[in-house]
Amino acid sequence: SQTIHQWPATLVQPVGSPLSLECTVEGTSNPNLYWYRQAAGRGLQLLFYSVGIGQISSEVPQNLSASRPQDRQFILSSKKLLLSDSGFYLCAWSAQGLLYGYTFGSGTRLTVV
Amino acid sequence: AQSVTQPDIHITVSEGASLELRCNYSYGATPYLFWYVQSPGQGLQLLLKYFSGDTLVQGIKGFEAEFKRSQSSFNLRKPSVHWSDAAEYFCAVGALGAGSYQLTFGKGTKLSVIP
Repeated sequence: SQTIHQWPATLVQPVGSPLSLECTVEGTSNPNLYWYRQAAGRGLQLLFYSVGIGQISSEVPQNLSASRPQDRQFILSSKKLLLSDSGFYLCAWSAQGLLYGYTFGSGTRLTVV
Repeated sequence: AQSVTQPDIHITVSEGASLELRCNYSYGATPYLFWYVQSPGQGLQLLLKYFSGDTLVQGIKGFEAEFKRSQSSFNLRKPSVHWSDAAEYFCAVGALGAGSYQLTFGKGTKLSVIP
């Protein structure tokens, strides 16, 4: 069966420090991958999505970037964190098409101090 | 572009009472519709989905939803709420975007359950 792993679960980082969040999917190949951010009371904001290795689409201009170095690995990064980058970050994957919807990871709570 | 509206930000119900969470969507073609649930500090879990066919769909945990094309709605229902149903619920519509199918989520409805 397919599983999605996301880590770390929680992270406290100072302003100006770098960020790297990792997401990996097992049990499938060529998934579509997504990064979402969830701020309190503001729903889910799509940050990036990828339909293949090295293919990244950005939905919102911001202080973050994403990379997909391998088929089932999706990384969210920042060179210098801002206070406004605090939030709950969710990774998700889907098969081609939407037959099974998205499957989400358990999320990373990022607090920038 | 597609959009989803969940009119109720927060709903409180008593345990054992019935529940209906509202969802309205905007999309030009036949939509793919989903309901997800999120417990605090957790990821989202798929409750049910509608693609085509029977407009009343059954999901996990005793939930069901009805697709009404004339009202552009996909409301989530449960006949008797349990305390463990307290969570945030997200409705989503799926459509083909730039190279992939994508889900657009509503802002969510937080459900509180009174014992």
